[in-house]
Amino acid sequence: SYELTQPPSVSVSPGQTARITCSGDALPKKYAYWYQQKSGQAPGLVIYEDNKRPSGIPERFSGSSSGTMATLTISGAQVEDEADYYCYSTDSSGNLGLFGGGTKLTVL
Amino acid sequence: EVQLVQSGAEVKKPGESLKISCENSGYTFTTYWIAWVRQRPGKGLELMGLIFPGDSDTRYSPSFQGQVTISVDKSLNIAYLRWSSLKASDTAMYYCARLKETAGGAVFDFWGRGTLVTVSS
Repeated sequence: SYELTQPPSVSVSPGQTARITCSGDALPKKYAYWYQQKSGQAPGLVIYEDNKRPSGIPERFSGSSSGTMATLTISGAQVEDEADYYCYSTDSSGNLGLFGGGTKLTVL
Repeated sequence: EVQLVQSGAEVKKPGESLKISCENSGYTFTTYWIAWVRQRPGKGLELMGLIFPGDSDTRYSPSFQGQVTISVDKSLNIAYLRWSSLKASDTAMYYCARLKETAGGAVFDFWGRGTLVTVSS
């Protein structure tokens, strides 16, 4: 079955750049979406269609995709960016989508 | 204002049945897919399935096919998630989310706050 693979954790100091990757065989043909989930809250969208930012999301959040890897970049990460981040996409057959395993971002 | 309001936390015993709900308001319920997403304690998000309230077209992720039933009541703008026989492994937070189509795909743009289901003898 199709999988999206993320590193379990990423840690940066405040002001540094955090990069969270998501690997999947269908990503060359399918968009990646990124969701942020802060402790005790429902998830929220931060990036859609690889690199588009919804209104209200700070400019320090950006996305890119190359080959089988999509990347969420937080430039100048802040303490309030500490959260779990999940990529989401579909397989090449266009079946129901799935989430990656999630990456815990620590900023301290 | 779009709102997805989920029913309250439940504590059940193994083998019992359960139906939780997600009440939608602030938009035309019949024109957007609704998803159910599971999150076990300390674990990641899992898409369980989708339903299109307009015609009740329902899709299940393979892991959840036959394990749960997703339904809607169009007259009440409510989506449901039902179990006929709960297991301890069903203990989780369950989120409903609205799926909005974009130019290139679709996004979960509004989420409920979640319903915590605890299954324990």
